[in-house]
Amino acid sequence: GENVEQHPSTLSVQEGDSAVIKCTYSDSASNYFPWYKQELGKRPQLIIDIRSNVGEKKDQRIAVTLNKTAKHFSLHITETQPEDSAVYFCAASALPGGKLIFGQGTELSVKP
Amino acid sequence: NAGVTQTPKFRVLKTGQSMTLLCAQDMNHEYMYWYRQDPGMGLRLIHYSVGEGTTAKGEVPDGYNVSRLKKQNFLLGLESAAPSQTSVYFCASSTIGFLGGRNTGELFFGEGSRLTVL
Repeated sequence: GENVEQHPSTLSVQEGDSAVIKCTYSDSASNYFPWYKQELGKRPQLIIDIRSNVGEKKDQRIAVTLNKTAKHFSLHITETQPEDSAVYFCAASALPGGKLIFGQGTELSVKP
Repeated sequence: NAGVTQTPKFRVLKTGQSMTLLCAQDMNHEYMYWYRQDPGMGLRLIHYSVGEGTTAKGEVPDGYNVSRLKKQNFLLGLESAAPSQTSVYFCASSTIGFLGGRNTGELFFGEGSRLTVL
């Protein structure tokens, strides 16, 4: 079955710096790659996603890139702010809305 | 519109006891999921359902059973609880259809249920 590896497990940056989180997946049938943000004590919420027919997608300060040949995708956050502090999860699925296999999570800390 | 609701939110069990977690969604979603979240291990899929009357195993199904008798409800059962099942459990739902002309693909999560097995 699908296996998703996520790195790093923790990431600390200064406010205003950029943060990058990387994921690799194993199943060639995966075509949908979302990223979820989970604040302390809250439920995970979708922040951005990318589909296999697209190499890059941007939404304000966050962007995702996908290299389907190498089976890896990344989340980029620019101009980080303290409210970006949270746990971020990458995931992979064969289709949007289908079962998601998640990475282990990255705890991002943005220091003022 | 409540979204995804889980009950109970907290529960303490003794080893060997049984219990059921209830998930209810009011978005008419076809797909429903149960995940468990443990520190450093992310969200792991326990069981899922692609429609009323169907269930399937996820990554970590052992020790759990599920049922989807109604489209809006997905039950997760522990027949004989073990300390290794101490975790936070999240239910989620999704659709593979089109919402307002666009398939969002988003999984909508409940608030979570914290289970402790002593």
